[in-house]
Amino acid sequence: DTEVTQTPKHLVMGMTNKKSLKCEQHMGHRAMYWYKQKAKKPPELMFVYSYEKLSINESVPSRFSPECPNSSLLNLHLHALQPEDSALYLCASSQSANRDGQPQHFGDGTRLSIL
Amino acid sequence: QKEVEQNSGPLSVPEGAIASLNCTYSDRGSQSFFWYRQYSGKSPELIMFIYSNGDKEDGRFTAQLNKASQYVSLLIRDSQPSDSATYLCAVNKAAGNKLTFGGGTRVLVKP
Repeated sequence: DTEVTQTPKHLVMGMTNKKSLKCEQHMGHRAMYWYKQKAKKPPELMFVYSYEKLSINESVPSRFSPECPNSSLLNLHLHALQPEDSALYLCASSQSANRDGQPQHFGDGTRLSIL
Repeated sequence: QKEVEQNSGPLSVPEGAIASLNCTYSDRGSQSFFWYRQYSGKSPELIMFIYSNGDKEDGRFTAQLNKASQYVSLLIRDSQPSDSATYLCAVNKAAGNKLTFGGGTRVLVKP
């Protein structure tokens, strides 16, 4: 069982909907990440939070809005998505984002489909 | 040139044989190297990480790193059908623990 929990596992939404993806970890990690993975492609980094502050935004469109309420939780708010945003969204965590080389552990992901 | 390159495969391996996967990277400043296994429809699972030149063994897996030649490899000994998956090489090349993934190598272990 993964120690990074993501909900929901599947999400279907229309282009005008607003929804949120949730991620929770109980490993005491202080860095959390959002990745997007399209079919047969590697994960692509979207956002990095370090000590609850946004440290990296990989030029992600504003229709994706991350939030880190506390060190254990990470949300990704979705609004006005496009069909090309359909993908597997992965959350990961690591002990720290300030020290290189911290292994990142992934959750099971949320499979998102945009109609 | 891609930042992290892997042969996409599939790499077909008989059960019980050794599977050898290679990964090359372009940034000489890269410090940390990871291997993830991803089953179809599932999320990546960390199986090995290596920081120093040489070999690192964990069970049936051995990671090998050669920073001078800028490659990292993964050996899977006594391959099992359950090892059939895509193996992703990931490199940490800058502060902020930003991982860059290779395209992955698909491994098929045939009984």
